[in-house]
Amino acid sequence: SAVISQKPSRDICQRGTSLTIQCQVDSQVTMMFWYRQQPGQSLTLIATANQGSEATYESGFVIDKFPISRPNLTFSTLTVSNMSPEDSSIYLCSLATGTTRDTQYFGPGTRLTVL
Amino acid sequence: AQTVTQSQPEMSVQEAETVTLSCTYDTSESDYYLFWYKQPPSRQMILVIRQEAYKQQNATENRFSVNFQKAAKSFSLKISDSQLGDAAMYFCAYRSGGSNYKLTFGKGTLLTVNP
Repeated sequence: SAVISQKPSRDICQRGTSLTIQCQVDSQVTMMFWYRQQPGQSLTLIATANQGSEATYESGFVIDKFPISRPNLTFSTLTVSNMSPEDSSIYLCSLATGTTRDTQYFGPGTRLTVL
Repeated sequence: AQTVTQSQPEMSVQEAETVTLSCTYDTSESDYYLFWYKQPPSRQMILVIRQEAYKQQNATENRFSVNFQKAAKSFSLKISDSQLGDAAMYFCAYRSGGSNYKLTFGKGTLLTVNP
């Protein structure tokens, strides 16, 4: 199975700043996704990162707040913009792979704390 | 919209014994997938087991098995011969068939394994 890495693994940021999280996969994958896990909560899909085109955002998430890039089939970034303490969460990328692409595998996550 | 309910916020089991985690879901679709993911403390989300809705046979992965009751929309996870390393948060997740890859997660069940 593909190896997924995320950078940074954790960060502490000041209110009003932005943070870009990187997700790198060791093989080409078609489908990549970004999820948010707020403290003590379950995971919520932010968006699907589409290679070569704009990401597809879920209800409640907008491009201005969470811009996403997907320049190729092995890499994606998620930016959390103009951060507030409410953005403190774990952000995870995932990928769908295999012949049926029905199963998602997750990266290790980025733990973000906003002061 | 699909919903996933895990009614047990916490469960505990003695080492070497068996425990069953409950999950119910609500959908009007006939084609979908169900998953159990494990998230150890401060560690990566790991796929435990998956089930295709069209398959009547319950999925099994070593000590992990599911009881999939499609009519009742129930998808419980049984862990046999529990080990200390099984201690984690367990999430049940739903994915529609077709081209919608979004995973909908339950709130999770925190499993403690007592030595």
